[in-house]
Amino acid sequence: EAGVTQFPSHSVIEKGQTVTLRCDPISGHDNLYWYRRVMGKEIKFLLHFVKESKQDESGMPNNRFLAERTGGTYSTLKVQPAELEDSGVYFCASSHAGATEAFFGQGTRLTVV
Amino acid sequence: GESVGLHLPTLSVQEGDNSIINCAYSNSASDYFIWYKQESGKGPQFIIDIRSNMDKRQGQRVTVLLNKTVKHLSLQIAATQPGDSAVYFCAETVSGTYKYIFGTGTRLKVLA
Repeated sequence: EAGVTQFPSHSVIEKGQTVTLRCDPISGHDNLYWYRRVMGKEIKFLLHFVKESKQDESGMPNNRFLAERTGGTYSTLKVQPAELEDSGVYFCASSHAGATEAFFGQGTRLTVV
Repeated sequence: GESVGLHLPTLSVQEGDNSIINCAYSNSASDYFIWYKQESGKGPQFIIDIRSNMDKRQGQRVTVLLNKTVKHLSLQIAATQPGDSAVYFCAETVSGTYKYIFGTGTRLKVLA
């Protein structure tokens, strides 16, 4: 069974540009989560999808971040425009409906210069 | 690796010794706890979990202890091996919320 996969693994962009991160969850997992770790801080929750619906987006830092999960399969996280403080590692995770254990992808390292 | 620039608490242990990694959690309502291991360039990998109705759970070479009175969690690794070198995170959640709160992490270095 393939795990959670994220694309790209690394991205370096200039301040003000747009970046889109992609996450493919484990097949059949209804729950999909985005987390991020900015430098020097702990991993923090961004949002949670159940299928295509946003269940909890309380962790999204501001309106420069937009997450989508059209069709309830893969998800994208767009940052527009990117700022220096957005640099960090963005993790995606997924889990079965009703399951608490989440499986994480390898992360996307975003560097904004 | 991903942790460049991060100043994590570090635990150095000799190969073959036991390791104990501690974590203080924040929410007294949390009822499910997980320890994750993160190796360089990889995402957090599940190690072991424990529910709040237990105070100890054992896996293969790992034991998690939960003290709800002081909101403390620990991970014990027996006979630590070089492959155990990684950053270890505890995470807490309230069942049904699906939102994990992660600790800051501890870097484990295994010395040959």
